Amino acid sequence: NAGVTQTPKFRVLKTGQSMTLLCAQDMNHEYMYWYRQDPGMGLRLIHYSVGEGTTAKGEVPDGYNVSRLKKQNFLLGLESAAPSQTSVYFCASSSIDRDYGYTFGSGTRLTVV
Amino acid sequence: TQLLEQSPQFLSIQEGENLTVYCNSSSVFSSLQWYRQEPGEGPVLLVTVVTGGEVKKLKRLTFQFGDARKDSSLHITAAQPGDTGLYLCAGPLKGNQGGKLIFGQGTELSVKP
Repeated sequence: NAGVTQTPKFRVLKTGQSMTLLCAQDMNHEYMYWYRQDPGMGLRLIHYSVGEGTTAKGEVPDGYNVSRLKKQNFLLGLESAAPSQTSVYFCASSSIDRDYGYTFGSGTRLTVV
Repeated sequence: TQLLEQSPQFLSIQEGENLTVYCNSSSVFSSLQWYRQEPGEGPVLLVTVVTGGEVKKLKRLTFQFGDARKDSSLHITAAQPGDTGLYLCAGPLKGNQGGKLIFGQGTELSVKP
């Protein structure tokens, strides 16, 4: 009954370091998304995927890359972290029928110093 | 540009009081969703409303979709401390692929015992 699992839950990076956030879903959902949540800014879409092997840019893609090599996994990479990327990151997935809504992970709190 | 505006942004009430949260747009949405997010967790889907004028009830929570499908409201009767959290409305972007949702900024509700 896992749903969407994100790792890690917390991370502190130094400016310029790189890291990968992992997202795994066990619901056989086609669509997967990465959002960032900042105070006063709401949830903003970074990148998304409509199926295995596909990715597309969202509202705020700069500084991030993604990959979806397997249907159940969606990876978010930061190549050279900047303080502006300090945020809480959420992964979500949904079925093709959008009325089912999104299932979110519990988030990764990232601090870049 | 499709936007969802929520009001109020913050709400602090006593246990037992009633409240209404609003989600408004100048655009028509095919459906709207409501999520609740507790501190340190990802948003959890509460309900999806699809038909103009539709009313859905979830225990003490009543959700309504406007007749013109441009707005929605969430009414909580006899609020309890367990209702505390961030309430988000969301709707699918018009004509988009991949099930992308646009989110409102959220209403932060605090229910004091």
